[in-house]
Amino acid sequence: DTGVSQDPRHKITKRGQNVTFRCDPISEHNRLYWYRQTLGQGPEFLTYFQNEAQLEKSRLLSDRFSAERPKGSFSTLEIQRTEQGDSAMYLCASSRSVGAIEQYFGPGTRLTVT
Amino acid sequence: GQQVMQIPQYQHVQEGEDFTTYCNSSTTLSNIQWYKQRPGGHPVFLIQLVKSGEVKKQKRLTFQFGEAKKNSSLHITATQTTDVGTYFCVKGAQKLVFGQGTRLTINP
Repeated sequence: DTGVSQDPRHKITKRGQNVTFRCDPISEHNRLYWYRQTLGQGPEFLTYFQNEAQLEKSRLLSDRFSAERPKGSFSTLEIQRTEQGDSAMYLCASSRSVGAIEQYFGPGTRLTVT
Repeated sequence: GQQVMQIPQYQHVQEGEDFTTYCNSSTTLSNIQWYKQRPGGHPVFLIQLVKSGEVKKQKRLTFQFGEAKKNSSLHITATQTTDVGTYFCVKGAQKLVFGQGTRLTINP
């Protein structure tokens, strides 16, 4: 049973650098989600895709953030000109599109901006 | 924003004691979900409640959805060390809105 995978698991970067994270969803899942979680808080929604279409973006997703899912399979989340406030766990989740409520989360990418 | 509020934020119990976490919304919910996140882990779906007054059980876990569909609770009977983690109530469908969670720690 292959779950959601994310790469890298940890990323340390200097302020101002660009970073890119990858998410591979469960293979038969059409929907893919990105969330951000800071210490002591619940995950916050960032964006989601149905196949390759990005259907919703949170106000949290500033112009420095961009997400893609070009072939409707894996997705990337890029953060440009990172700031210390971007330090968080970035979680990816996937789900089926029809009749599915459960989202399956990956292990996350922990970003530390120094 | 339209959040879901959870109390308590933290709960420490002795193994074998019961545990309850409560979730409240200022607006009527179409559904409520519960997720569990183990320390160092990722959120894992537990259950969804849809109907007014609904009660669902999973072994030692009992989930309730209020009559007005504005509140929910999770009750664990006779906690075990495997129950350690943070329990989140969650609203929404595609765009999930998580409460702050209740962090449960257990003294064995």
